[in-house]
Amino acid sequence: QQQVKQSPQSLIVQKGGISIINCAYENTAFDYFPWYQQFPGKGPALLIAIRPDVSEKKEGRFTISFNKSAKQFSLHIMDSQPGDSATYFCAAVDSNYQLIWGAGTKLIIKP
Amino acid sequence: DTEVTQTPKHLVMGMTNKKSLKCEQHMGHRAMYWYKQKAKKPPELMFVYSYEKLSINESVPSRFSPECPNSSLLNLHLHALQPEDSALYLCASSQAGTGMRTQYFGPGTRLLVL
Repeated sequence: QQQVKQSPQSLIVQKGGISIINCAYENTAFDYFPWYQQFPGKGPALLIAIRPDVSEKKEGRFTISFNKSAKQFSLHIMDSQPGDSATYFCAAVDSNYQLIWGAGTKLIIKP
Repeated sequence: DTEVTQTPKHLVMGMTNKKSLKCEQHMGHRAMYWYKQKAKKPPELMFVYSYEKLSINESVPSRFSPECPNSSLLNLHLHALQPEDSALYLCASSQAGTGMRTQYFGPGTRLLVL
């Protein structure tokens, strides 16, 4: 119940394309869903986050889509750029305010 | 200032050494965290400090000893580590209470135990 399942494990997208990463959860007590971006040798950086009472949130080229009934959420990166190449982690926040992490997706944007 | 800083960036130590990792933030955050991250894995929570008091210890071996001298500083004292403790050690901070939903991470200390 405390798991967040993330897919795919790795993703290769052409420059200018749309990158889509999916996550699913079981625990309906999760009440906040952040996405983190991590470059090699760096710490994770908060990218965008959503609450479960919102179905979509957009910040620039990054959009979270949230489906509460299906207990799924996804990150869409529009017009993907080589600089977006990184590992992306979805997460959920539990009732103790702890981050429950997905396994991560390594994204490579081909020029 | 929205930065969490960590020193050193890299650390190599033998199994009999004693060393310390340092973390600092000036965002006025009252919750600070230590995470351990192995390659190709998500961060694993080790310790949480809230208002300078240890609130969560995720069953971490006693060879790791955290310390929070004040609201801006967090240390992790290392002693008699094992090679399997080699990892990226991340510090994070956040507002306390419901603000703990949003954590800000430092760049990490890459630790190698020989």
